[in-house]
Amino acid sequence: QKEVEQNSGPLSVPEGAIASLNCTYSDRVSQSFFWYRQYSGKSPELIMSIYSNGDKEDGRFTAQLNKASQYVSLLIRDSQPSDSATYLCASRDNQAGTALIFGKGTTLSVSS
Amino acid sequence: DGGITQSPKYLFRKEGQNVTLSCEQNLNHDAMYWYRQDPGQGLRLIYYSQIVNDFQKGDIAEGYSVSREKKESFPLTVTSAQKNPTAFYLCASSIGTGAFFGQGTRLTVV
Repeated sequence: QKEVEQNSGPLSVPEGAIASLNCTYSDRVSQSFFWYRQYSGKSPELIMSIYSNGDKEDGRFTAQLNKASQYVSLLIRDSQPSDSATYLCASRDNQAGTALIFGKGTTLSVSS
Repeated sequence: DGGITQSPKYLFRKEGQNVTLSCEQNLNHDAMYWYRQDPGQGLRLIYYSQIVNDFQKGDIAEGYSVSREKKESFPLTVTSAQKNPTAFYLCASSIGTGAFFGQGTRLTVV
């Protein structure tokens, strides 16, 4: 299994729907997880972090971590066309200090 | 304004030429990183530095070199040994939480 794995998509949802983005991980990474949003041609922007099992909510975003099953997810409620972007899942690489290891990203398209 | 500044935004390299990408941060972060992103790919770690005067190779360090003489600066040199350098290069820094990125440098071989 790759260290951090995501479905590349594209994931298409209508405006106002819930978008669910998923990520699985291997033992190479730590228990700290980060979600980044990257618009086309731009650099990644940190939108959520989660360190403990369970849910963490921030506005329309909810991050979920399940350590037993080794997956982490990001839910976006009331999706907007401006949410259309690539979402990158990342975690600390146990073999590289505090450096992050990234999944390949899931492209989300929200249609109006 | 605190942040990470990368320059230039666009860079063109001729075959066999070395080029240096600049990365400066005023966030007082100890750790700095260089990533490379190819189309449709995630970010891959080139080099990282946890502290001044120390740096380590990442997963794809061949053909690249770095220095960390100052806390604020972490320049990346793409050498002629890097056979496929065309990519989007991202510099980041962190203080123990998630990393924060500069705006990136898009390097093209001409």
